[in-house]
Amino acid sequence: DTGVSQDPRHKITKRGQNVTFRCDPISEHNRLYWYRQTLGQGPEFLTYFQNEAQLEKSRLLSDRFSAERPKGSFSTLEIQRTEQGDSAMYLCASSFYGTDGYTFGSGTRLTVV
Amino acid sequence: GENVEQHPSTLSVQEGDSAVIKCTYSDSASNYFPWYKQELGKGPQLIIDIRSNVGEKKDQRIAVTLNKTAKHFSLHITETQPEDSAVYFCAAIDQTGANNLFFGTGTRLTVIP
Repeated sequence: DTGVSQDPRHKITKRGQNVTFRCDPISEHNRLYWYRQTLGQGPEFLTYFQNEAQLEKSRLLSDRFSAERPKGSFSTLEIQRTEQGDSAMYLCASSFYGTDGYTFGSGTRLTVV
Repeated sequence: GENVEQHPSTLSVQEGDSAVIKCTYSDSASNYFPWYKQELGKGPQLIIDIRSNVGEKKDQRIAVTLNKTAKHFSLHITETQPEDSAVYFCAAIDQTGANNLFFGTGTRLTVIP
């Protein structure tokens, strides 16, 4: 297993467009998390899944954001009608039942122009 | 919710000297405290962690201390090397609760050769 993979690494999009990011967690990890990180700040929690169930969403996750984890494997995060304020690094992490430290992916850097 | 504060925001040390980064947390229910190192363009990497039933943990040049009464924990790096230069984040979590990590705002460590 090569760790948590995220795709794409970088995405530039025009305001108003929809974007989708993908995360492949460590295969034996049942929990998958999405975080957002803006410049000079620590990551902020967006949402998490245990297997295929989305168990919690942050108030940061507006109705333009949606996340899925079909079959409890990879996850996608979609942002509809992107705004300049959505520009950030989107990080995915996985863990086994939240024990020990999460393993983060390298992130997807989104730039909305 | 949990609030994690981290100091200093920037730290410069001479190669070979020690570096100390301090964090405080607000939620007494938090029981797990990981530290992450983030290099440019990469996701956070877990470097050491400590649970609330332990006061100190060491791994080679890195150590973490926890004072539950005062609600603060610290990262100590000894014999610093240029490759230690990065942004370091502390985090806190209540593993019996929502399971999302609350991060500090980060410390940019520069080790001067």
